[in-house]
Amino acid sequence: AQRVTQPEKLLSVFKGAPVELKCNYSYSGSPELFWYVQYSRQRLQLLLRHISRESIKGFTADLNKGETSFHLKKPFAQEEDSAMYYCALVSGGYNKLIFGAGTRLAVHP
Amino acid sequence: KAGVTQTPRYLIKTRGQQVTLSCSPISGHRSVSWYQQTPGQGLQFLFEYFSETQRNKGNFPGRFSGRQFSNSRSEMNVSTLELGDSALYLCVSSLGGGSNTEAFFGQGTRLTVV
Repeated sequence: AQRVTQPEKLLSVFKGAPVELKCNYSYSGSPELFWYVQYSRQRLQLLLRHISRESIKGFTADLNKGETSFHLKKPFAQEEDSAMYYCALVSGGYNKLIFGAGTRLAVHP
Repeated sequence: KAGVTQTPRYLIKTRGQQVTLSCSPISGHRSVSWYQQTPGQGLQFLFEYFSETQRNKGNFPGRFSGRQFSNSRSEMNVSTLELGDSALYLCVSSLGGGSNTEAFFGQGTRLTVV
């Protein structure tokens, strides 16, 4: 079955500390993976996608097919990074996304 | 340009009633998807429409249906409402050109069934 697992509901760190939000997936074939973010009182928005291999707001994510993971990392967390983060997988083509349960990142001053 | 617009923002309905939610995608976007978000199940895919045709469907009962109009606006309908249908319903708009096309989310319609 196709599935996305985010094992942590809450990740609490201090400003300047490194951050790693974990995402593991189950998918047969070549996965297309994304990270979406929802800041307080805002709508969900795309943070980054694995195919672009880009860094957005200092975040990066590398697809590891051997470990079936797509962890989101940032070397130095900022308070404005506090948000809900969702890992998502495209399933069955087109725009059907399977989401993980989400991880709330809280960055403390 | 205007973002994805969902109306109404909030709804309260009684069990057994039916409800229609509306979504206006970003201008030029031909794909509209719908998701249900609940604390227990998270974000779950309902269906996707592209150029007035349903391309993809999630694992929801037939009480959940949708359609898309020629101007790409979409509606979803839930009939014979149950308490468990209480959720935030999110509309997602994209160009629809492929699976890696960026998806833009609406702010959602919060449905409460009493």
